[in-house]
Amino acid sequence: AQSVTQPDIHITVSEGASLELRCNYSYGATPYLFWYVQSPGQGLQLLLKYFSGDTLVQGIKGFEAEFKRSQSSFNLRKPSVHWSDAAEYFCAVVRSDYKLSFGAGTTVTVRA
Amino acid sequence: NAGVMQNPRHLVRRRGQEARLRCSPMKGHSHVYWYRQLPEEGLKFMVYLQKENIIDESGMPKERFSAEFPKEGPSILRIQQVVRGDSAAYFCASSPPGQAGNEQFFGPGTRLTVL
Repeated sequence: AQSVTQPDIHITVSEGASLELRCNYSYGATPYLFWYVQSPGQGLQLLLKYFSGDTLVQGIKGFEAEFKRSQSSFNLRKPSVHWSDAAEYFCAVVRSDYKLSFGAGTTVTVRA
Repeated sequence: NAGVMQNPRHLVRRRGQEARLRCSPMKGHSHVYWYRQLPEEGLKFMVYLQKENIIDESGMPKERFSAEFPKEGPSILRIQQVVRGDSAAYFCASSPPGQAGNEQFFGPGTRLTVL
């Protein structure tokens, strides 16, 4: 069985500071990897995805993520956060089938 | 191109009533997925449907829950005789044909509250 772990439940960051959200997965082969963002009371919006190829993936809203096979990680980063980045972030994986397996999420609070 | 539509956005039911949640996939998408998000948790897969077929319902509770995706009309997630533990956000996602396993586009969710 595969699983996704997001070790940080809650992160607080100052506006303009950098942000890194951790994600580890357990799976024998390289899965498809995703990061979604959920604003309060809203649905999920895809930030970026990794299927194959270049291990550094660029997404929307200035986010990027790096796939590291040796560490089974897919951490999300942003160089300079904005107040509008306050939300909950979910890492997810899917194998060659269709089920998305989500981590428990990391809530990001941005302080002025 | 409209995104995935879900209605209602909020639904309140008393214990023992039925809840019907609707999902209209994006235009051209024939794969529909339902996920449930309990408070303070991530989303959990419930069921995967294609038109008139349930492909995988391994995440559905064995009783009271059912789903369909008819030839015409939206996909329906039906919960009979709701209990307080059914209170959650239910999200629908869709993907194009021939791309199962790739990107799923999510709707805004239906937040079910059982009194």
